[in-house]
Formats: sequence, structure tokens, C-alpha cells
Amino acid sequence: DAMVIQNPRYQVTQFGKPVTLSCSQTLNHNVMYWYQQKSSQAPKLLFHYYDKDFNNEADTPDNFQSRRPNTSFCFLDIRSPGLGDAAMYLCATSSRLAGDYEQYFGPGTRLTVT
Amino acid sequence: RKEVEQDPGPFNVPEGATVAFNCTYSNSASQSFFWYRQDCRKEPKLLMSVYSSGNEDGRFTAQLNRASQYISLLIRDSKLSDSATYLCVVSPRGSYIPTFGRGTSLIVHP
Repeated sequence: DAMVIQNPRYQVTQFGKPVTLSCSQTLNHNVMYWYQQKSSQAPKLLFHYYDKDFNNEADTPDNFQSRRPNTSFCFLDIRSPGLGDAAMYLCATSSRLAGDYEQYFGPGTRLTVT
Repeated sequence: RKEVEQDPGPFNVPEGATVAFNCTYSNSASQSFFWYRQDCRKEPKLLMSVYSSGNEDGRFTAQLNRASQYISLLIRDSKLSDSATYLCVVSPRGSYIPTFGRGTSLIVHP
């Protein structure tokens, strides 16, 4: 059974048209993350939540925002996507009780910007 | 110096070969170490955690060298299905923010 679910799996949007990516988890992990990954690069952390505490990485563009309405769900909003935002967006979860914050990833949303 | 460094490869090996990757880390306070496997256009998946005493899972062996600040992954009897990118992940004890290496690409050919 899928433990970290991301929707949609593929998203095509137009330059400047807002888009929302979603993530849900059935693991009851208290930490959730959003990563951006481009080809042949390491995943780049955009945001993370520790319980309800939100943390924004210093170099995450203002164009990106996130919401976590409850433990199970997390959203990534891209207000005005640019061509450079085309990437794979990965959601992950972790918990200290689960292998010392070993991360569980969703299948990702591949974003195309036209 | 990058926090976590890996040779991006690709490592191109025949089936049945033994191949080893290293990953160096710069933060001496690092305490948690992992190898993840990432297939093309898929998400990273945990391959194994790396313990101080080293650990083995079938054909895969991971080692930690704290003195030289590197971890290694050894794959014996390579299979075609081992072709993937192997990501090294490091974090300080109790930290939930890991640092990823950019990955090492392995291609196993017939």
C-alpha cells in the first residue's frame, strides 16, 4: 500500500499560471518535506514541517509556498511558475521513531512549464 | 568543499562484477548515514542505513570510516537491475534535515 502519495503525478502548466501539488501520508510521521529535483542533481530542500512548525530554506524562491493543514496532508503552491521551475517535486516524510529520521518519499510530481 | 560529495560516474560494469562507491562528508558531527537508490525518473528509495560497525544486506555491504569521513557501498555480483543512481545521505545525530549527495550513476551491462 502506498504510504506517501503525491498528486498529480504529472502536471503541465503555462508560464505564470499558478499550480498546486499535493502530498498525503498514511505513516503518521510528524516531519514532512518538499524537495525539488532537476536532472542529474541532488534533491534540493524547499520546505519542511516539524509537526506544525514551518521552515523555509533560505534560498527557496518567494514564488513557492506551502501549507500543511493537518498531519497527513501537505501542499506546495507555485504562484507564478517560470520555465526554470520545471522539475520533479518530491514529498517525503520522516519520524525519529522510524529509523532516526529515515525518509520515505512519494513517487513525485513531474512539472512541465510551457 | 561540498558537504557531501560523490563521484557522479557513470560506473559502467558487466553483470557479475563487484563495484564500490565512496561518499565523503565534511561535517564531523554527522551521525546518521544512508544509501538511497533512485531509478530514472522515480523517487529515491532507502537501500540501507550505514552503521558504525558496517552492515550487509545480501549482495550489498555498507561501511563507515569516521576517521576519514567517508561511507562506502559495495555491490557484489552486479545484476542488470542494479542499474540506478545511488544517493549518499548524511545528517547530524537527531537531525531531521539530511544532506544529499548528487548521486553516483551505475550502469550494469550484459
